[in-house]
Amino acid sequence: GAVVSQHPSRVICKSGTSVKIECRSLDFQATTMFWYRQFPKQSLMLMATSNEGSKATYEQGVEKDKFLINHASLTLSTLTVTSAHPEDSSFYICSAPLAGTPYNEQFFGPGTRLTVL
Amino acid sequence: SQKIEQNSEALNIQEGKTATLTCNYTNYSPAYLQWYRQDPGRGPVFLLLIRENEKEKRKERLKVTFDTTLKQSLFHITASQPADSATYLCALDISFNDMRFGAGTRLTVKP
Repeated sequence: GAVVSQHPSRVICKSGTSVKIECRSLDFQATTMFWYRQFPKQSLMLMATSNEGSKATYEQGVEKDKFLINHASLTLSTLTVTSAHPEDSSFYICSAPLAGTPYNEQFFGPGTRLTVL
Repeated sequence: SQKIEQNSEALNIQEGKTATLTCNYTNYSPAYLQWYRQDPGRGPVFLLLIRENEKEKRKERLKVTFDTTLKQSLFHITASQPADSATYLCALDISFNDMRFGAGTRLTVKP
């Protein structure tokens, strides 16, 4: 089956620093990837849609200058949390749809736990 | 306002019983609805998809129903096992590739 990986799985950083999270589709190409954020005991909230070769589409209320998204290739999207603050601490998950499956079934990465001190 | 509500935050049942989880939504008209399993510290894993014109879908011990009049989906796990313990999320299709998730129900199956 299709596999999506994320790196790193956990990151702890100081307030004010920037953190980059990678999302890779390992055995398929994805022109679109999705970035979600999940706070404890809450739902996955879509942050942005990453598009290969064009700008990302951000959901309402998500600061595009704070959460930089780069879809560098058909298998890699990166999310950079700039000038991170403690309130950015969360579980960040990416997903990629697999073309050709019914309704372009989405495959999720294992998530990245970000802790900002 | 648009809402997706899963009946309870947590559900505890005895091994061998049937677990029933509920997903209700308002002010959405999804073409299909999906159920995912999420284990602690992991990403969601797809389980089942049901389309708006389908009443019921089955996969092994799993069964999903979809009532677009009631705006509700029920997710059943029969002959539950401790290994079924996880958080189960429902997700509604908003537009192509765009999904909205419920907060999830944490199921615990006790031996």
